[in-house]
Amino acid sequence: NAGVMQNPRHLVRRRGQEARLRCSPMKGHSHVYWYRQLPEEGLKFMVYLQKENIIDESGMPKERFSAEFPKEGPSILRIQQVVRGDSAAYFCASSPGRDRRYEQYFGPGTRLTVT
Amino acid sequence: AQSVTQPDIHITVSEGASLELRCNYSYGATPYLFWYVQSPGQGLQLLLKYFSGDTLVQGIKGFEAEFKRSQSSFNLRKPSVHWSDAAEYFCAVVSRTSYDKVIFGPGTSLSVIP
Repeated sequence: NAGVMQNPRHLVRRRGQEARLRCSPMKGHSHVYWYRQLPEEGLKFMVYLQKENIIDESGMPKERFSAEFPKEGPSILRIQQVVRGDSAAYFCASSPGRDRRYEQYFGPGTRLTVT
Repeated sequence: AQSVTQPDIHITVSEGASLELRCNYSYGATPYLFWYVQSPGQGLQLLLKYFSGDTLVQGIKGFEAEFKRSQSSFNLRKPSVHWSDAAEYFCAVVSRTSYDKVIFGPGTSLSVIP
């Protein structure tokens, strides 16, 4: 059973460009979470999604950031007009949901560098 | 406010020595408790978790952790550290009432002297 997959593993963008980060959850998992790890810091929750629904986006910056988890395909974290402060590692996690939402399995992360 | 603290930002130990990494949480009720390890440039690996029952939890790679309700602590231990244990260690919690996000501590960076 493959784990959580994220791509790309490394992404370089110039200021003002768009960044798209993809996350494929573990097989059978219908809940996806995104976390951000800034340099020298711990991980911070960004958003929690189920298929076609955003459940909790309390950790998402108000502007330029959006996330989706369509009925088919991976979850996408989209950052528009990137700035240097967006440089970070972005981790995706998935869980089986329901009463096992606390079991979150993490992907290897996407390291975004904004030049 | 709900929070997770790891008092030690950085710890250095000699190979073969014992290790204890501290973690304290502040929650209304005992949350689910986790320890993760992150090697440089890598993702997170779950070392162990506590949900209920025996307060001494065994994990992978020879790690264990003890839950102490009276102290709101969940300290990670290893009797003999190996050089490959050098990494960043994160304590984390999930609320039992709204378990929709993992709250991470700031992390403890472990260095191992050969």
